[in-house]
Amino acid sequence: QIQLVQSGAEVRGPGASVTVSCRASGYSFSNYAISWVRQAPGQDLEWLGWIKTYNGATNIAQKYQGRVTLTTETATSTAFMELTGLRPDDTAVYYCARENPYCSGTSCYVWLDPWGQGTLVTVSA
Amino acid sequence: SSELTQDPAVSVAVGQTVRITCQGDSLKNYYVSWYQQKPGQAPVAVIHGKSHRPSGTPDRFSGSGSGNTASLIITGAQAEDEADYYCESRDRNDNRVLFGGGTKLTVL
Repeated sequence: QIQLVQSGAEVRGPGASVTVSCRASGYSFSNYAISWVRQAPGQDLEWLGWIKTYNGATNIAQKYQGRVTLTTETATSTAFMELTGLRPDDTAVYYCARENPYCSGTSCYVWLDPWGQGTLVTVSA
Repeated sequence: SSELTQDPAVSVAVGQTVRITCQGDSLKNYYVSWYQQKPGQAPVAVIHGKSHRPSGTPDRFSGSGSGNTASLIITGAQAEDEADYYCESRDRNDNRVLFGGGTKLTVL
């Protein structure tokens, strides 16, 4: 069974940092990139970035460059997302998701499946 | 504001057909995927590559589209289809992942 299991809820004060982990099982970890997405309470989905697990290459959304760091630990099939300089508006559920490449004819694209269960990060003084 | 635009809310009677749309320039050269999210749960893909159903997606879900518009169609909506639906695409220039603002589907 292919699944992503994330670490538990976190509470941090403003200015602190948080690291969320995402452990993969049921497939070869290095064959698929991982994307990170967040969702503030009652809001829509917002992409943070992705990491290619086989070489560590990353693509971070411009809004989060300098604050988000994505890493992996191949030995444990785990991806990590670190967010620094936390603010109250960073309060959100953070998701990891596997990037699935798919080619149909001459067109290739990527879709997200499965998703982790989500990690609630609360930023409060 | 999102680079993919969705109607905020749509409603449908049980058993009827509903279309949820997504518009954006990225759709001209990148296939759309659709995700269903129920309250308190993680999103789940229901359509990828514009019209492919992942295993487990009921066949009442289908996808279509052309140009800068894509649609998720539910034929014979059921009460359990009530959820938020998000479209997703990518910018081929910089490989950014783009999400629509989501459509809240109410099944009456």
